[in-house]
Amino acid sequence: DIVMTQSPSSLAVSAGETVTINCKSSQSLLYSGNQKNYLAWYQQKPGQSPKLLIYWASTRQSGVPDRFIGSGSGTDFTLTISSVQAEDLAIYYCQQYYDTYTFGAGTKLELK
Amino acid sequence: QIQLVQSGPELKKPGESVKISCKASGYTFTDYAMHWVKQAPGKGLKWMGWINTYTGKPTYADDFKGRFVFSLEASASTANLQISNLKNEDTATYFCAREGKRDPGFDYWGQGVMVTVSS
Repeated sequence: DIVMTQSPSSLAVSAGETVTINCKSSQSLLYSGNQKNYLAWYQQKPGQSPKLLIYWASTRQSGVPDRFIGSGSGTDFTLTISSVQAEDLAIYYCQQYYDTYTFGAGTKLELK
Repeated sequence: QIQLVQSGPELKKPGESVKISCKASGYTFTDYAMHWVKQAPGKGLKWMGWINTYTGKPTYADDFKGRFVFSLEASASTANLQISNLKNEDTATYFCAREGKRDPGFDYWGQGVMVTVSS
C-alpha cells in the first residue's frame, strides 16, 4: 500500500502569511504513460465535509482561489497557500489515487 | 445543483447492524463512481472503498472487507453502506463522495453520517 506522510501535523499562521504544507508518498505517483502525478489536496473545515482543492498535483478545482497552489512530482508534493485568510483555517489532506486511494494524516492550519 | 444527501445519525449497540444511505441528485447517478470514507472522532480520513454505480460492483479496502457492504438503489440514485456486527471502533462519521468522471478527485461529498456504537 502507498503511505502518504504529511508535514507538519499543525501550523500556526497569521493572516497574510504564506504557508507550505508537505506531502511525501512511499512510492512515485508519476505515471509514465501520461506524465501526470496522481495526487489531490482537500480542505476540511470544522464540522464540514472535505472539499477538493487540487488534483493532478497542480490543477485547481473549479472555484478554488488562485492563492492555493499545488506543486511537486514523483514522491514529493507541496500545497502552498499565499496570503492566508481566516477562512483558510482548516485541516488539509493529501490523497494519492495512483494505486487505490490513500489519504495523508492531515495538516491543521491554526491562527497564531 | 449537484447534491449528495446522507441519512441521519445513528446510535447502535455492539453487535447490531446499521445501514446508511447517500442520495444523489443533479447529475446522472450511473455516470460517476461513489466512494465511502470513514472519519473517526478527531481523526483523519480513511478510504473504505467504492462502488461502480453502473455495474453495481463494489471494491473494498483491505480494512473494510467482511462486515461492510456497499449497495445501490440505482432507480433511486442512492448508494448504501451497511455495517454488520458493529464494534466500538466503528464509531465514526461516514461520508459518501463522488469521483469525477473526467477529472479525478472526490468532487462532491455528502454531509456525513455520525454512527455511534455504545452499549
